[in-house]
Amino acid sequence: AQKITQTQPGMFVQEKEAVTLDCTYDTSDPSYGLFWYKQPSSGEMIFLIYQGSYDQQNATEGRYSLNFQKARKSANLVISASQLGDSAMYFCAIFSGANNLFFGTGTRLTVIP
Amino acid sequence: GAVVSQHPSWVICKSGTSVKIECRSLDFQATTMFWYRQFPKQSLMLMATSNEGSKATYEQGVEKDKFLINHASLTLSTLTVTSAHPEDSSFYICSALAGGGYEQYFGPGTRLTVT
Repeated sequence: AQKITQTQPGMFVQEKEAVTLDCTYDTSDPSYGLFWYKQPSSGEMIFLIYQGSYDQQNATEGRYSLNFQKARKSANLVISASQLGDSAMYFCAIFSGANNLFFGTGTRLTVIP
Repeated sequence: GAVVSQHPSWVICKSGTSVKIECRSLDFQATTMFWYRQFPKQSLMLMATSNEGSKATYEQGVEKDKFLINHASLTLSTLTVTSAHPEDSSFYICSALAGGGYEQYFGPGTRLTVT
């Protein structure tokens, strides 16, 4: 079984500052993938970044980077230079061999001007 | 990029009626589609996995006779909420898995309100 834990229900960050959103996971599968999605108030799920369990380097996509610590089973999302448009819900998810995505409870990020 | 559409984007129906939600992959073929439900201020919960040409696989606690899923083609999956009740009011999101890939492409969601 897979489990995703996001312990921060809400986070605030000053515009232009960096912020880290926490995610820990648990799985018995040796091969898995970790995703971060952004969900604005409109409801759509926007893919941000992906990290494979065998990837040696941390994934980066523009202002998004994933701090992957496999031994600690954590996959924190770092957003650099926060923008007002970054205010949204952020979900961490784990993908297993069954092709299913299991989502965490999410973190609501608010960027303060 | 891969685009997934959902129709309708929102629907209001009376208790006891049935509602059909369509999920289409617009520019790719999706052998597998997923249906999620999201209650207000909660996370997405997988309801069922839909494979083209075969019966859907439902998650524990999801009534297959109430939530009918049909994946008749490689670009279309439908979810029918039968005999809807107010507690079925939720945000329903589909996603599609492109062949051989691991990334799920999400539709924009359908907000269902049952009165």
